[in-house]
Amino acid sequence: GNSVTQMEGPVTLSEEAFLTINCTYTATGYPSLFWYVQYPGEGLQLLLKATKADDKGSNKGFEATYRKETTSFHLEKGSVQVSDSAVYFCAPQLPTGNQFYFGTGTSLTVIP
Amino acid sequence: EAGVAQSPRYKIIEKRQSVAFWCNPISGHATLYWYQQILGQGPKLLIQFQNNGVVDDSQLPKDRFSAERLKGVDSTLKIQPAKLEDSAVYLCASSTRGVMGETQYFGPGTRLLVL
Repeated sequence: GNSVTQMEGPVTLSEEAFLTINCTYTATGYPSLFWYVQYPGEGLQLLLKATKADDKGSNKGFEATYRKETTSFHLEKGSVQVSDSAVYFCAPQLPTGNQFYFGTGTSLTVIP
Repeated sequence: EAGVAQSPRYKIIEKRQSVAFWCNPISGHATLYWYQQILGQGPKLLIQFQNNGVVDDSQLPKDRFSAERLKGVDSTLKIQPAKLEDSAVYLCASSTRGVMGETQYFGPGTRLLVL
């Protein structure tokens, strides 16, 4: 079946620390891969995406690379800021019907 | 460009009552989605529309949930009768054509509490 496993939170980091949030998936076919972010009190927003193997999505200093061989799409940022505090969702998008499968979300808190 | 609009933002009802949520997608977006997000979980797709037709409703509990998009623009999701386990945030999203690789844009959600 289709599923996504996301690193459990909550994660607490100091400002300027390095961030990695792991995401692995199982899917029928060849999905597109997305990271969505939910800031406190706001709706889900697209953070970045990659649609084929070895593609790197990037936005706001965040990066993730589509690794087909390990079925992973780990999110990284070299230096986090307090404003990055949010819940991050990994979401493979299936090739049939473009349905998303969301992970459970990883809560990140960055402290000054 | 205006985003996806949803109303109400919050709703509290007692079990066995009925409730309806409304969504207005981004102008020109043919595809509309309803998701249920239970606390501590990721969103789960309930139903997907392409214009005014249903593409996927395999995870919609049809004995109590219904949704429509009569004119291919805004949509309503109804629960009748509600159960305690329906307490969740109901998210509406839209996309241009509903094809893979395309971003879905989410509304702020309606938070439902069933007592």
